[in-house]
Amino acid sequence: EAGVAQSPRYKIIEKRQSVAFWCNPISGHATLYWYQQILGQGPKLLIQFQNNGVVDDSQLPKDRFSAERLKGVDSTLKIQPAKLEDSAVYLCASSLGRYSNQPQHFGDGTRLSIL
Amino acid sequence: GQNIDQPTEMTATEGAIVQINCTYQTSGFNGLFWYQQHAGEAPTFLSYNVLDGLEEKGRFSSFLSRSKGYSYLLLKELQMKDSASYLCAVRPKTGANNLFFGTGTRLTVIP
Repeated sequence: EAGVAQSPRYKIIEKRQSVAFWCNPISGHATLYWYQQILGQGPKLLIQFQNNGVVDDSQLPKDRFSAERLKGVDSTLKIQPAKLEDSAVYLCASSLGRYSNQPQHFGDGTRLSIL
Repeated sequence: GQNIDQPTEMTATEGAIVQINCTYQTSGFNGLFWYQQHAGEAPTFLSYNVLDGLEEKGRFSSFLSRSKGYSYLLLKELQMKDSASYLCAVRPKTGANNLFFGTGTRLTVIP
């Protein structure tokens, strides 16, 4: 089965610019997650979708970050404007469902560097 | 809030056994996951515990004690390819059913 696909793999931008990341989850997975992983730390959840609805976005910096999953499949995460502290790997994950004991499956992530 | 503690780094010898500990304090408990993450790669699922006891899967085993808020990952017959970060993640008992990750333990296997 195909895994979680993310693009781009790497992105370098200057502060105050905008950037967008794309994620295609495993086919049939209703739940999609975006995580931020700063170097040397564990992943931190930014937002969770169940189909095309937001379940939890309590840790998303909404003044600059936005995400959508319009058709309940692919998702995009946007940062506008970017700050230096946004330098991190942005991981997308998917799972069968919110209450499933099946694990979350992660994509390879997008490594973002802010200059 | 949620608090998950793991050692930052560990070193072990090829062929040996290593135990990576994880302690947690969360709002309720609904399962604990261990993930392996090689540098520059995605985390990959290793094990899941929701009841007390030991779960064995090949060279990897994971143990859980809910009353102590404690888990460990046991790696046997270490191989050089086991050099990676090992992430402990807890699912508190909240409506969103999210995972909270520890900072990870960087394991280095030496010859």
